Amino acid sequence: GAGVSQSPRYKVAKRGQDVALRCDPISGHVSLFWYQQALGQGPEFLTYFQNEAQLDKSGLPSDRFFAERPEGSVSTLKIQRTQQEDSAVYLCASSSSWLSYEQYFGPGTRLTVT
Amino acid sequence: KNEVEQSPQNLTAQEGEFITINCSYSVGISALHWLQQHPGGGIVSLFMLSSGKKKHGRLIATINIQEKHSSLHITASHPRDSAVYICAGDRGSNYKLTFGKGTLLTVNP
Repeated sequence: GAGVSQSPRYKVAKRGQDVALRCDPISGHVSLFWYQQALGQGPEFLTYFQNEAQLDKSGLPSDRFFAERPEGSVSTLKIQRTQQEDSAVYLCASSSSWLSYEQYFGPGTRLTVT
Repeated sequence: KNEVEQSPQNLTAQEGEFITINCSYSVGISALHWLQQHPGGGIVSLFMLSSGKKKHGRLIATINIQEKHSSLHITASHPRDSAVYICAGDRGSNYKLTFGKGTLLTVNP
């Protein structure tokens, strides 16, 4: 079956532009996660959804970052007024339940802010 | 100090060699995950350990809770094992993982 998909795979934005990154989790997966991975670093947690509820957004680096999952399936991570330090790979993962340790990762969106 | 630290940062091996990647973690982490990341971003979960040892094919993961240390071993390494291996700590939430920086493994034929 289909895995987690993300779009776009690559995004170049000029500083100050708004961007929207999409994640399509595996069908039926309850939990959805967003991570930010800077070059040469491990991923860092951004936010977590259980169905449509955003249960933890403590990792979002500033109020320019906003995530939503209105119908409990597709999620969008929005970054307003992008800055150069936002350049990173944004990874989405899903898992079948909050009890499941195994997270299935998408290929990521590489965001470059110029 | 990072909650999860890996070593080495880079590792080059010849095909067939036995590989060990180490991970140390801080107090409060109750489980350790090992993941594999290939060029281009795709991440695959390999193991989750809270005690003991797990084996899957040529991969073996161990954890020592008292020493707060985990190791990932690859037996009979192969060039297709070349990837970044990442350990991540779980404080019991099942979602809020704290990742190490990763170990870049290159296995030469």
